[in-house]
Amino acid sequence: DAKTTQPNSMESNEEEPVHLPCNHSTISGTDYIHWYRQLPSQGPEYVIHGLTSNVNNRMASLAIAEDRKSSTLILHRATLRDAAVYYCIVTGNQFYFGTGTSLTVIP
Amino acid sequence: EPEVTQTPSHQVTQMGQEVILRCVPISNHLYFYWYRQILGQKVEFLVSFYNNEISEKSEIFDDQFSVERPDGSNFTLKIRSTKLEDSAMYFCASSDLAGINYNEQFFGPGTRLTVL
Repeated sequence: DAKTTQPNSMESNEEEPVHLPCNHSTISGTDYIHWYRQLPSQGPEYVIHGLTSNVNNRMASLAIAEDRKSSTLILHRATLRDAAVYYCIVTGNQFYFGTGTSLTVIP
Repeated sequence: EPEVTQTPSHQVTQMGQEVILRCVPISNHLYFYWYRQILGQKVEFLVSFYNNEISEKSEIFDDQFSVERPDGSNFTLKIRSTKLEDSAMYFCASSDLAGINYNEQFFGPGTRLTVL
């Protein structure tokens, strides 16, 4: 399974956009890129996933580099409820969660 | 909105005892998973289950672990002889489409297992 690299932590001001990066240079052609988040004391929650094209849903946007070796999760307007650990997962046969990026949203 | 439920929310047991953690996946889902998260550490995949058999398992899922779908609604994780290091939060998840590459997994709230 492809290894992912994310910054340990990031901060954002409330109501501003947040760009959470992820590197996955060993991704294979059939691997999807998934993003999940884990709010404090809760189970992981699906955010978005994609293969090659950029994706948008009600929660976020996913921008995937043309070579697929990196991606960026975009939260368009951060709220206090978006404070969580965000995991970038590149799937093979098993879902491997890394240490993720802990997002702090400053009021 | 349908959700995955887990019981109990907290289980305390003595080392060496057997525990069964229960999950009710979303009703039309076909794929089921168990994960664990030791306090302060990352979420770790244990096992995936489809069509009444294990489809994938990690190195953590050794002979002391087993999974079962005893009826049409429950999905259970059994730990035969618990160890102190089994203390963790255990998450159940389910999904409806074929293959984890293509679909969203819905996670339950977790069962906190404490082994004394």
